[in-house]
Amino acid sequence: SQTIHQWPATLVQPVGSPLSLECTVEGTSNPNLYWYRQAAGRGLQLLFYSVGIGQISSEVPQNLSASRPQDRQFILSSKKLLLSDSGFYLCAWSADTGRTEAFFGQGTRLTVV
Amino acid sequence: AQKVTQAQTEISVVEKEDVTLDCVYETRDTTYYLFWYKQPPSGELVFLIRRNSFDEQNEISGRYSWNFQKSTSSFNFTITASQVVDSAVYFCALSEDKAAGNKLTFGGGTRVLVKP
Repeated sequence: SQTIHQWPATLVQPVGSPLSLECTVEGTSNPNLYWYRQAAGRGLQLLFYSVGIGQISSEVPQNLSASRPQDRQFILSSKKLLLSDSGFYLCAWSADTGRTEAFFGQGTRLTVV
Repeated sequence: AQKVTQAQTEISVVEKEDVTLDCVYETRDTTYYLFWYKQPPSGELVFLIRRNSFDEQNEISGRYSWNFQKSTSSFNFTITASQVVDSAVYFCALSEDKAAGNKLTFGGGTRVLVKP
C-alpha cells in the first residue's frame, strides 16, 4: 500500500533562516506531488505541484521554492524565512493517471519567530 | 477559474444530531471531480469521497451521505447521528479535468463541533 512521510512535524525557525521540508512517498511510482499551505484559519492554498522528476509548477509567487530530485521525493525550501511563512504545510500525492483523490501527509507546523 | 465555497464556517451540534455541510462550486469545465476531506485536530487531511461530474447518484457510507446536485452546483455532506469523533474541519474540493496534475481547489472549510 502507498504511504506518505513528511517531516519534521513541527519547526520553529528565526526570521531570515533557511528552510527545508521533505516529503517522500512509498508504494507507487511517478506520482503527482503537491505542497499546500494552511495559514491561520483553515483555507488550503496550493503552493507547488510536480508531475515528474525536475518538473515543478508554482501556483503563487512567494518566498519558497520546491524541488523533486527523485521520483518520490518532494522538497520545500526557502533561503530566508519571513514571518508570513508561518503556517501548516502539507505534502500530498495522487496517481498520475485519471482524476484520482490526493492523499496527504501529516503536515509540518512551521512557526517563524 | 474554479472556485469552491463553504459558507458555513462553524457548526455546533449535540451528539446524535444530524449535521449538513454545504458546498457550492464554480467551474467552466464540463468534466470535473468533487471531493470531501476531513481534518481532525491532528491536522492530517483524510480523504472521504470523490464524485465525478457525470455521476449524480447520491452516496451513503455508514453515517455519511453526500448529495450531488449539478443543477445547483452543490455537493453537500450530511453526517447522521453525529458523534464526538466527528468533530473536525471538513473541506470540499474541486479538480477540473483540464487542470494539469490533478490540482485541487479547496473551500475554506467548515468546523464541526459535536458536543456530548
